Amino acid sequence: GEDVEQSLFLSVREGDSSVINCTYTDSSSTYLYWYKQEPGAGLQLLTYIFSNMDMKQDQRLTVLLNKKDKHLSLRIADTQTGDSAIYFCAEAVGGFKTIFGAGTRLFVKA
Amino acid sequence: DTGVSQNPRHKITKRGQNVTFRCDPISEHNRLYWYRQTLGQGPEFLTYFQNEAQLEKSRLLSDRFSAERPKGSFSTLEIQRTEQGDSAMYLCASSPIAVPSTDTQYFGPGTRLTVL
Repeated sequence: GEDVEQSLFLSVREGDSSVINCTYTDSSSTYLYWYKQEPGAGLQLLTYIFSNMDMKQDQRLTVLLNKKDKHLSLRIADTQTGDSAIYFCAEAVGGFKTIFGAGTRLFVKA
Repeated sequence: DTGVSQNPRHKITKRGQNVTFRCDPISEHNRLYWYRQTLGQGPEFLTYFQNEAQLEKSRLLSDRFSAERPKGSFSTLEIQRTEQGDSAMYLCASSPIAVPSTDTQYFGPGTRLTVL
């Protein structure tokens, strides 16, 4: 079946690194994504990784993909209070359908 | 602003009424998606259009739900005989057909439906 699981909450101090983890089930996923949702706002794509890659870095964001374990992680370096939001992991299934996790709520303490 | 727009932003209706939502995608995007998001959950896929063709529908889309994209531009999502369980945020997203395609989706702000 298609399922994406994430831990629900993460709390970090400002300046620390945040690591948000995700597991997915569909081994045929072509792309995996991280989206950010701030209160009252729509989902914003943060980054994506192609399934034949192990790692992708984009400024403060590092995505790691372990395809064998179907595990995806998002590391945010030097976390700021503005990073407080809900982060959704998602996988592209069957070309067009995207399955989202329930989201990880990141709290950044000043 | 050339992002995805949705109207209305909020809709309150009584149980049993029909409601219609509109989505205007980014103008050059061929693909359009509808999702439903309830509190504490991620978006759940409802349906997908490529141009005017509706190519996929979720099991979540009961026969009370219908979506159209008549000219391959804007789309409407209609819910007939609304039920309290239909209360949710309805999200629209669009994406371009690109080679290679990452199917990166751009989301609108959503329409929040409350059924009393």
